[in-house]
Amino acid sequence: SYELTQAPSVSVSPGQTASITCSGANVEDKYVSWYQQKPGQSPLLVIYQDTKRPSGTPERFSGSNSGNTATLTISGTQALDEADYYCQAWDSNTVVFGGGTKLTVL
Amino acid sequence: EVQLVQSGAEVKKPGESLKISCEGSGHSFNTYWIGWVRQMPGKGLEWMGRIYPADSNTRYRPSFQGQVTISADKSISTAYLQWSSLRASDTAMYYCARLSSAAGNFFDSWGQGTQVTVSS
Repeated sequence: SYELTQAPSVSVSPGQTASITCSGANVEDKYVSWYQQKPGQSPLLVIYQDTKRPSGTPERFSGSNSGNTATLTISGTQALDEADYYCQAWDSNTVVFGGGTKLTVL
Repeated sequence: EVQLVQSGAEVKKPGESLKISCEGSGHSFNTYWIGWVRQMPGKGLEWMGRIYPADSNTRYRPSFQGQVTISADKSISTAYLQWSSLRASDTAMYYCARLSSAAGNFFDSWGQGTQVTVSS
């Protein structure tokens, strides 16, 4: 079965750029979505179709997908961006989630 | 506004049955796939399965096939997730979410979650 791999944790200083990666075999051939989940809250879609932002997602969030790696980039990271982030793709009629990355802003 | 409202938290004993719900509003509920996602304590998101309420077409992740039943009542725009015999390992938060009709098959709206606790 298809797998998406994320680093368990990423740390970033306020105002700096955070990059969260999601690795999968030829993931560039699939659309990748990204979800943000803060403690005690439901997941929230922040990026879909690799690069698109839903209305309400700040412009500092961007996405890319190339080769075997999809990346969520947060420019000018703010304290309120501290959360768990999950990538997601679709394979063989199955939803696949990455294991999640905890972003710490310190 | 698209809304998915889930039923409240449940505390059950091992072996008991349970059915939790997810009611949609603000959109044509019956013409979107609705998925169920499990999140065990301190863990990540796991897709369990999905249903198309208009015709109750259902797909399960293999590891959940036979462990849970996903159903829907299109007349009241509600999807369900049920267990016939709960186990302690079913303790988790369960989310329903709407699969977008756009390319990419992503969840564009989520319910608030239903906490299920199974303990003797």
